[in-house]
Amino acid sequence: SQTIHQWPATLVQPVGSPLSLECTVEGTSNPNLYWYRQAAGRGLQLLFYSVGIGQISSEVPQNLSASRPQDRQFILSSKKLLLSDSGFYLCALGGPSGGNTIYFGEGSWLTVV
Amino acid sequence: KQEVTQIPAALSVPEGENLVLNCSFTDSAIYNLQWFRQDPGKGLTSLLLIQSSQREQTSGRLNASLDKSSGRSTLYIAASQPGDSATYLCAVTGGGTSYGKLTFGQGTILTVHP
Repeated sequence: SQTIHQWPATLVQPVGSPLSLECTVEGTSNPNLYWYRQAAGRGLQLLFYSVGIGQISSEVPQNLSASRPQDRQFILSSKKLLLSDSGFYLCALGGPSGGNTIYFGEGSWLTVV
Repeated sequence: KQEVTQIPAALSVPEGENLVLNCSFTDSAIYNLQWFRQDPGKGLTSLLLIQSSQREQTSGRLNASLDKSSGRSTLYIAASQPGDSATYLCAVTGGGTSYGKLTFGQGTILTVHP
């Protein structure tokens, strides 16, 4: 079965510091991978998606970037964090056809102080 | 732009009641619709996936229906239990080059009290 690992689970970072959130998946190959953010009082927002190694699409302009160095690894980064980057970050995977069930990881809580 | 709305925003019921959560979407050209459950501070757990060609899906005490032409879906929970307390999220995926990208509703916070 498919599993999604996210780390760190919780992170407190000062404004202006860098960020790296990692997501790795198992039990699947060539998945579509996604980064979503859930901010306090707001719904889930798609930040990035990737259909393959090195292929990244951004959904909203922001202070963040994403990379996919390997088929089953998806990384969310920032060079300088803003207070508004605080939130709950969720990695998700779906089948390559895009029509399958989407599965989510346990998420990473980021607090920027 | 697709918009998803969930009603009610919150629901509190006594244990044993049957209940219905509603989801509506503005663009009927969806590929599928998915219902999720989210416990506080946790990730999302997929409950049911309904393809656009389907009318309903069932899993245990859960039944989800889809009326694509009217842009509506309902999640029916039978004989609710305190363990069902969570936030329930509805999300739709567009077709074509959407690559499985989900558009979420704001969720319904369900509390089932003993």
